[in-house]
Amino acid sequence: EVQLVESGGGLVQPGGSLRLSCAASGFTFSGYNMNWVRQAPGKGLEWVSYIRSSTDTIYYADSVKGRFTISSNSAKNSLFLQMNSLRDEDTAVYYCARGLGYCANGVCYTIGAFDMWGQGTMVAVSS
Amino acid sequence: DIVMTQSPATLSVSPGERATLSCRASQSVSSNLAWYQQKPGQAPRLLIYAASTRATGIPAGFSGSGSGTEFTLTISSLQSENFAVYYCQQYNNWPWTFGQGTKVEI
Repeated sequence: EVQLVESGGGLVQPGGSLRLSCAASGFTFSGYNMNWVRQAPGKGLEWVSYIRSSTDTIYYADSVKGRFTISSNSAKNSLFLQMNSLRDEDTAVYYCARGLGYCANGVCYTIGAFDMWGQGTMVAVSS
Repeated sequence: DIVMTQSPATLSVSPGERATLSCRASQSVSSNLAWYQQKPGQAPRLLIYAASTRATGIPAGFSGSGSGTEFTLTISSLQSENFAVYYCQQYNNWPWTFGQGTKVEI
């Protein structure tokens, strides 16, 4: 079965740290871009970070740059998000999401439309 | 950053009626636009990518159109399972950004 399963969320004090994990199954991890997307309670979606492990390409939203670190382990089909210096405004459900992949004329691409999502893990930052 | 603006914020529709949702980008995103559906307590589901291509398993009643800065998601005949929040998202420029969502309610 093709799926993503997040873990690692919880309650943390401002300034604290958490490490989120996302276990992927049913597809070859390295062939896709992988992302973290978050959703604050009652709010919309916010893209957080991107990694394409095959090209060592990483991007971050300005709101988390310098505090969060995305990484992956292709051998274990796992995605991670190390979150440091957490703030109240980081409180959200964090989803890992796969960028859609397709092939055309013998070339394969992975784009920024997210065709697979995990169930999400809740991060609450509060004193 | 590219700002994605969705309208209306809430759309009240009767079952069987057609729903038209709009998404405007603050600058051109070409056709690099996706639409998602999200129901309460669930992760979003990809409906449309490349502005008009239905994702795998998405019924023909969902259609997307537009390019550049103006995009539309049309649901041809609202079914009970279609009442949800819909988001557009651009993936043409970093950072990738979402609209604030349109809630489709009965």
